[in-house]
Amino acid sequence: QKEVEQNSGPLSVPEGAIASLNCTYSDRGSQSFFWYRQYSGKSPELIMSIYSNGDKEDGRFTAQLNKASQYVSLLIRDSQPSDSATYLCAVRFGNEKLTFGTGTRLTIIP
Amino acid sequence: DAGITQSPRYKITETGRQVTLMCHQTWSHSYMFWYRQDLGHGLRLIYYSAAADITDKGEVPDGYVVSRSKTENFPLTLESATRSQTSVYFCASSESPTSAEQYFGPGTRLTVT
Repeated sequence: QKEVEQNSGPLSVPEGAIASLNCTYSDRGSQSFFWYRQYSGKSPELIMSIYSNGDKEDGRFTAQLNKASQYVSLLIRDSQPSDSATYLCAVRFGNEKLTFGTGTRLTIIP
Repeated sequence: DAGITQSPRYKITETGRQVTLMCHQTWSHSYMFWYRQDLGHGLRLIYYSAAADITDKGEVPDGYVVSRSKTENFPLTLESATRSQTSVYFCASSESPTSAEQYFGPGTRLTVT
């Protein structure tokens, strides 16, 4: 069974600091990796996608992928209170549907 | 209205009743998905559809039925609701199964008493 694991948190980070969110997955054949943000009571929205080893930056967000270690992370620089949300890691195994982790709840402390 | 909508947004029903959750998208996306979200389980795929009249099971299909007679609509029916089906249900759509972007509807919070 293909699995995606995240620490459920909550993860508390001071405003202005770097928030680091981690995700591991079970299938070495996985090819596509995504981070979704979900505010309380709202639906998930895609914030980052990454397909190859290394870092991908988009504004204050950086996704990091290490396929050898089966590990993907999301860094949020200069964390803002508006970043407080649950972050879902999703993995696509080949052409199959997305498999989601259970999410990490992030709280930014002003 | 453009986008993906779900109705109702909130529903309370009794055990054994049939319930239908509606999903409508205006993008003409080929693929549509139904997920349920529960604490400790994250988002789990119930059913998906590649096109009108083409549907397939996801991870947790038991107790659910779907249909897709039109591209824009993808209703989910609970034939005989059980308490274990109390959950938040999200519909999503994408241009293809490998499309990075799945667009999610606002969700339906269903309580089965």
